Amino acid sequence: DAGVIQSPRHEVTEMGQEVTLRCKPISGHDYLFWYRQTMMRGLELLIYFNNNVPIDDSGMPEDRFSAKMPNASFSTLKIQPSEPRDSAVYFCASSRGNGEKLFFGSGTQLSVL
Amino acid sequence: QKEVEQDPGPLSVPEGAIVSLNCTYSNSAFQYFMWYRQYSRKGPELLMYTYSSGNKEDGRFTAQVDKSSKYISLFIRDSQPSDSATYLCAMSTGANSKLTFGKGITLSVRP
Repeated sequence: DAGVIQSPRHEVTEMGQEVTLRCKPISGHDYLFWYRQTMMRGLELLIYFNNNVPIDDSGMPEDRFSAKMPNASFSTLKIQPSEPRDSAVYFCASSRGNGEKLFFGSGTQLSVL
Repeated sequence: QKEVEQDPGPLSVPEGAIVSLNCTYSNSAFQYFMWYRQYSRKGPELLMYTYSSGNKEDGRFTAQVDKSSKYISLFIRDSQPSDSATYLCAMSTGANSKLTFGKGITLSVRP
């Protein structure tokens, strides 16, 4: 198994632009999580899905952030419009069950200038 | 007060040293405790998983949970340069509950 696959690995964009981050979870995992990691705040849960349905989006910072999971093998996190304070590493993770071992992707390093 | 507090570090030790990493927490409902290891430019990976109080050993690694003190520790014996990474504690209230992570501590083991 290739593990959780995220793309792109790095994204540099200008303030106001739309950013789309992509994730392919491990096959057979029912849960998908989006996290954001910064030096100041550590690893923060943004949203998670169970069987493609969003369960808890209370960590999404504001309406500029949206996430979708159209099928079991693909999810996107979109930021529109992006702002410099969105600069962080965004991780996607999947698991067989909530509370079970999380498998993380390698992350997307986002820089908003 | 944050739910999970972790020493900010960084921590630098010589090869072969015993390393102690610690987290404290405020939510007495936490029952599942984990340690994740994160190498530079990689995602975190699960290192140790324990339920409730007690010790768990895996090779050079020992995880310890003291629920009465709301304190968890990770001990690394005979530390190696390959142990150089960021270590994050994580915990949850139940088997189907989301994880709360500490901010992580960066460990450097000098050859």
